[in-house]
Amino acid sequence: ETGVTQTPRHLVMGMTNKKSLKCEQHLGHNAMYWYKQSAKKPLELMFVYSLEERVENNSVPSRFSPECPNSSHLFLHLHTLQPEDSALYLCASSQDFGQGTDTQYFGPGTRLTVL
Amino acid sequence: GQNIDQPTEMTATEGAIVQINCTYQTSGFNGLFWYQQHAGEAPTFLSYNVLDGLEEKGRFSSFLSRSKGYSYLLLKELQMKDSASYLCAVRDNDNYGQNFVFGPGTRLSVLP
Repeated sequence: ETGVTQTPRHLVMGMTNKKSLKCEQHLGHNAMYWYKQSAKKPLELMFVYSLEERVENNSVPSRFSPECPNSSHLFLHLHTLQPEDSALYLCASSQDFGQGTDTQYFGPGTRLTVL
Repeated sequence: GQNIDQPTEMTATEGAIVQINCTYQTSGFNGLFWYQQHAGEAPTFLSYNVLDGLEEKGRFSSFLSRSKGYSYLLLKELQMKDSASYLCAVRDNDNYGQNFVFGPGTRLSVLP
């Protein structure tokens, strides 16, 4: 248990559906991250929020839309996804962004399957 | 550009020592991390290096040479529970800001 929770743990959706992934951290951290982990590919950083402001843009398709309403919660809104978007989506948090060790604590992930 | 290389798979025997190498190319190096990820679980932090040299933490040690773009993770007295993927990640300051770049991971199998 890392102090970062994600729901749902598994999600199956059609290409026309709209769904949201939720992440919550109980560590008092100021930075939160979304990563994508596909089979046989490295972890890919998608979005970073620091103090509820988005600080990085990694050229993610617009069908992925992040939202950070407060420093403890992070959402990833999904719409009109493609089958190649099927992957494990990991949320992480760190005390601050770009400071010192900046250790990231990961949630268990949401296994997403797009049909 | 950014590039991180690790061996895809390694096998070692319980009680032995194994060294997992990582080479990287980045435009603005600002720290290297090692994470452990068991199958079906989230990555967990193992170590952090930003200066050259060896960082020791129990059975695990991590080494960094910035001039060579090289790091290794050393695992001593291997246990069966050490069977996992080991991820090398670099924090990179490029023209677009800070970015975390992960390597493909090394899947370690510890045999009895």
